[in-house]
Amino acid sequence: DAGITQSPRHKVTETGTPVTLRCHQTENHRYMYWYRQDPGHGLRLIHYSYGVKDTDKGEVSDGYSVSRSKTEDFLLTLESATSSQTSVYFCAIRGTSGDLETQYFGPGTRLLVL
Amino acid sequence: KNQVEQSPQSLIILEGKNCTLQCNYTVSPFSNLRWYKQDTGRGPVSLTIMTFSENTKSNGRYTATLDADTKQSSLHITASQLSDSASYICVVSEGSYIPTFGRGTSLIVHP
Repeated sequence: DAGITQSPRHKVTETGTPVTLRCHQTENHRYMYWYRQDPGHGLRLIHYSYGVKDTDKGEVSDGYSVSRSKTEDFLLTLESATSSQTSVYFCAIRGTSGDLETQYFGPGTRLLVL
Repeated sequence: KNQVEQSPQSLIILEGKNCTLQCNYTVSPFSNLRWYKQDTGRGPVSLTIMTFSENTKSNGRYTATLDADTKQSSLHITASQLSDSASYICVVSEGSYIPTFGRGTSLIVHP
């Protein structure tokens, strides 16, 4: 599992409230990613980070912000949660398998926005 | 725009049977192609990784093929087991840090 944990694993919240999801890695990987997964869409990139304080937007970044103040933690914040943000959120890191670079995923966070 | 298309969208087979999943891509330039297995309620796990120069790679009962000329890949599962029931995702990288994901094929293996 490349030492990736996500917290919380499940969350129910109300529309309009802020929500922060945490991704923690223990292997000092430079690149970290946040994806959301919805039926019929597969995995879609929200934001990614290529180092401490270095982040960039993915294809579905509206309504989300991220922060990375230290290598091991990548936070995803929903500033004002909406029902359309009900989803399963996966964090990933960019690691290596043999000589090849690949992504390793965390266990996911299930978010329900009522 | 880079795209990865997978087929079929879903598949049901009987335990012990073989099956083949397809992946077509338009990602260019090509760096590597990965197949992931995602069990229900869990994160994707890498099965195989192939570069341009590889046309076949096996991982136990899973065999991936790659035709870089036609931009097609397949994942063949031999002697399926109930534990093979999962979603299988094809992912193609162009060498940047942002890979392109397919939507996955949902496989159900019935006893």
